[in-house]
Amino acid sequence: QKEVEQDPGPLSVPEGAIVSLNCTYSNSAFQYFMWYRQYSRKGPELLMYTYSSGNKEDGRFTAQVDKSSKYISLFIRDSQPSDSATYLCAMRLIQGAQKLVFGQGTRLTINP
Amino acid sequence: DTGVSQDPRHKITKRGQNVTFRCDPISEHNRLYWYRQTLGQGPEFLTYFQNEAQLEKSRLLSDRFSAERPKGSFSTLEIQRTEQGDSAMYLCASSLVVGGNEKLFFGSGTQLSVL
Repeated sequence: QKEVEQDPGPLSVPEGAIVSLNCTYSNSAFQYFMWYRQYSRKGPELLMYTYSSGNKEDGRFTAQVDKSSKYISLFIRDSQPSDSATYLCAMRLIQGAQKLVFGQGTRLTINP
Repeated sequence: DTGVSQDPRHKITKRGQNVTFRCDPISEHNRLYWYRQTLGQGPEFLTYFQNEAQLEKSRLLSDRFSAERPKGSFSTLEIQRTEQGDSAMYLCASSLVVGGNEKLFFGSGTQLSVL
């Protein structure tokens, strides 16, 4: 079993829809949670960075962390065709190993 | 451009050849990471440097892989005697740790194809 599980999709929604992307994890020692967006043939770009349980909002993006359920989500409101990309969740321990552990990524397409 | 720069963007090589990739991090960042990403998967950690010291290496990093970061500036990743299984995107990232918070910024990667 992978430490971080993420549905690879693909996910296709109409423009303007609310998108929900999710990851589950098995290691309760993960304390930092991130969402990255990756366009084709590009490196991942940091979208959201959270530490505590609860919601964090940044424009059209909301990151949600539920540590008790080991579950994180990213919501995209008013989705745009330019949001079409692969979305990667990533997480890191609070101490010890500094590496990020990534999910598989969800490929998202927003249809005009 | 003040982002992370990687060179080359693409590399095609024959099995058994050696290849070297270069990464130039964001100038004030003291940590530098190498990740590998295969098609349809998330990036996997390979190794990281704090300034010039290599502090952690993944079990994925076989004896054929070596990374350096002389003087804590740019970094190189060398793969000796390449195998077809080495074909992947090699990503470099840099970060600056502030108050326990660390945000990684990735370059566009080097796409390696081993024929």
